[in-house]
Amino acid sequence: DAGITQSPRYKITETGRQVTLMCHQTWSHSYMFWYRQDLGHGLRLIYYSAAADITDKGEVPDGYVVSRSKTENFPLTLESATRSQTSVYFCASSARTGDYEQYFGPGTRLTVT
Amino acid sequence: KQEVTQIPAALSVPEGENLVLNCSFTDSAIYNLQWFRQDPGKGLTSLLLIQSSQREQTSGRLNASLDKSSGRSTLYIAASQPGDSATYLCAVAIVGGATNKLIFGTGTLLAVQP
Repeated sequence: DAGITQSPRYKITETGRQVTLMCHQTWSHSYMFWYRQDLGHGLRLIYYSAAADITDKGEVPDGYVVSRSKTENFPLTLESATRSQTSVYFCASSARTGDYEQYFGPGTRLTVT
Repeated sequence: KQEVTQIPAALSVPEGENLVLNCSFTDSAIYNLQWFRQDPGKGLTSLLLIQSSQREQTSGRLNASLDKSSGRSTLYIAASQPGDSATYLCAVAIVGGATNKLIFGTGTLLAVQP
């Protein structure tokens, strides 16, 4: 039971490059989320998805693009990476909304030089 | 705007001690509150989820309480062990858009000394 996986685990890229972070879950959860974790800010929601082809912005969506063509995958793309996007990115999923837990992936540490 | 605060930011205790971690939030209109554990360089592991209608939840040596009216939650860890050393995060679920969203505190870094 793989659960929720993220790839790559570590990524170094240059300013202005496009980079895609992958998230895959094996539970067929409807809801998926992307967070970033920064010192002093905790975790902040970037985008979320309620189902395939349904996505919406979170607290800090600027500079990011998401898609969800399949229930199990939720990639996050930085269209033109900036140094301020250096962070640890976590993907999460949840079976339903309401009083249901979110389960988190191991994270991707992204450094933009 | 919902804000979540965790105090203390860091805590060091000797093994075997009972301890309490605190979480406070500014808006009592929440769906639930979730406590997570995060080990260095790792993801988040869900420890306990307290629904808005509940007062507490227990799992093994962990007990979490929720007082919505005062905007507070506590995580009680009994008989602490070195393996409990980690960062503990609380998050409240608020209503927004197509699903609830989690608002996180910045965590308490716990060190249990052998």
